[in-house]
Amino acid sequence: DIVMTQSPLSLPVTPGEPASISCRSSQSLLYSNGYNYLHWYLQKPGQSPQLLIYMGSNRASGVPDRFSGSGSGTDFTLKISRVEAEDVGIYYCMQALQTRITFGQGTRLEIK
Amino acid sequence: QVQLVQSGAEVKKPGASVKVSCKASGYIFTTYYMHWVRQAPGQGLEWMGKINPSGGSTTYAQNFQGRVTMTRDTSTTTVYMEVSSLRSEDTAVYYCARDLGGNPIDYWGQGTLVTVSS
Repeated sequence: DIVMTQSPLSLPVTPGEPASISCRSSQSLLYSNGYNYLHWYLQKPGQSPQLLIYMGSNRASGVPDRFSGSGSGTDFTLKISRVEAEDVGIYYCMQALQTRITFGQGTRLEIK
Repeated sequence: QVQLVQSGAEVKKPGASVKVSCKASGYIFTTYYMHWVRQAPGQGLEWMGKINPSGGSTTYAQNFQGRVTMTRDTSTTTVYMEVSSLRSEDTAVYYCARDLGGNPIDYWGQGTLVTVSS
């Protein structure tokens, strides 16, 4: 199975400041069709996960443009340009290149 | 609108089995794979497996092979996930979630808490 490693695991951020989360995979997530099968999810407290970014860099419907995803192959980054209070929760990267999906450990974003 | 509505919380004894349901609506049931993902208390997300509602084929995570069974009923657009030989470590919230094969998981159920306790 592909191992997904996120850092940091905890991320305290002051509102209005930027935030960045790294996700690395044990093998390349770049498929022959040119897409990276790496997605980002946010699980807000007490809720089910919600899709933020798909295929490495595409914002899902309704996701604010302060969220952006980048990277290719084995190294990916989720950035929030200006953190807001509603962004608290746990962020997960997930690989879907292989049939057996795997998630990163999660990064807990909290407001300072 | 798309909805995945799961069955209610369960309390089971060690060694028992539990069957969780996930009723889908608002889309063509047989078009999307259905995954099951669980989350132990205070822990991360763990993928358990998926089912193709069209033909019923399944793929399970190695950790759950032989202990998890996923089925579907196309007449009621419902997917089921059964875990046998429950142990305390199976205490978790279990989620169903759909994807359009090759596309990301885009909708999740509300989750079902399964508590395993003697």
